[in-house]
Amino acid sequence: GAGVSQSPSNKVTEKGKDVELRCDPISGHTALYWYRQSLGQGLEFLIYFQGNSAPDKSGLPSDRFSAERTGGSVSTLTIQRTQQEDSAVYLCASSLRQGSTDTQYFGPGTRLTVL
Amino acid sequence: KNEVEQSPQNLTAQEGEFITINCSYSVGISALHWLQQHPGGGIVSLFMLSSGKKKHGRLIATINIQEKHSSLHITASHPRDSAVYICAVRKSGTASKLTFGTGTRLQVTL
Repeated sequence: GAGVSQSPSNKVTEKGKDVELRCDPISGHTALYWYRQSLGQGLEFLIYFQGNSAPDKSGLPSDRFSAERTGGSVSTLTIQRTQQEDSAVYLCASSLRQGSTDTQYFGPGTRLTVL
Repeated sequence: KNEVEQSPQNLTAQEGEFITINCSYSVGISALHWLQQHPGGGIVSLFMLSSGKKKHGRLIATINIQEKHSSLHITASHPRDSAVYICAVRKSGTASKLTFGTGTRLQVTL
């Protein structure tokens, strides 16, 4: 079956512009996560959705970052007024449900470059 | 200090060698994950552990909760095992978000 998909795969934007990154989780997965991997840095958690609600937004680095999930499926991560330090690979993952026994399945990521 | 530390950061091995990658953490956890990231590729979850040991093919993962330490072993290594291996923990009391180590870059040569 289809895995987690993300679009676009690459995005180049100018400083100050807004960008939207999309994640399509595996069908039936209720939990969805956004992570960021900056060059030379490890992965960091951004936000977690259970269904359409986001019980944990603690990783969003500033109020320029927001995310939503509709219909318990597709999620969009929006970065407003992008800065050069936002350049990174943004990864989405989904799991069947919340819980310590669930494997997270990762998408291929969106590479964002802010010029 | 990072809550999740991995060693070594970089590792080069010859084909056939037995490989060990270590992960130490300083927080209470409910689960520990080992992930694999190939160059230019996505991330694959290898193991999820809360106790003991798991084996899948040539890969073995162990965890010692008391010592807050986990190891990933690769037996009879092969060039296709070349990747970055990432340890991640789910901290106790958190929903499902993961806290990641910085990864171990493994290169297996012929």
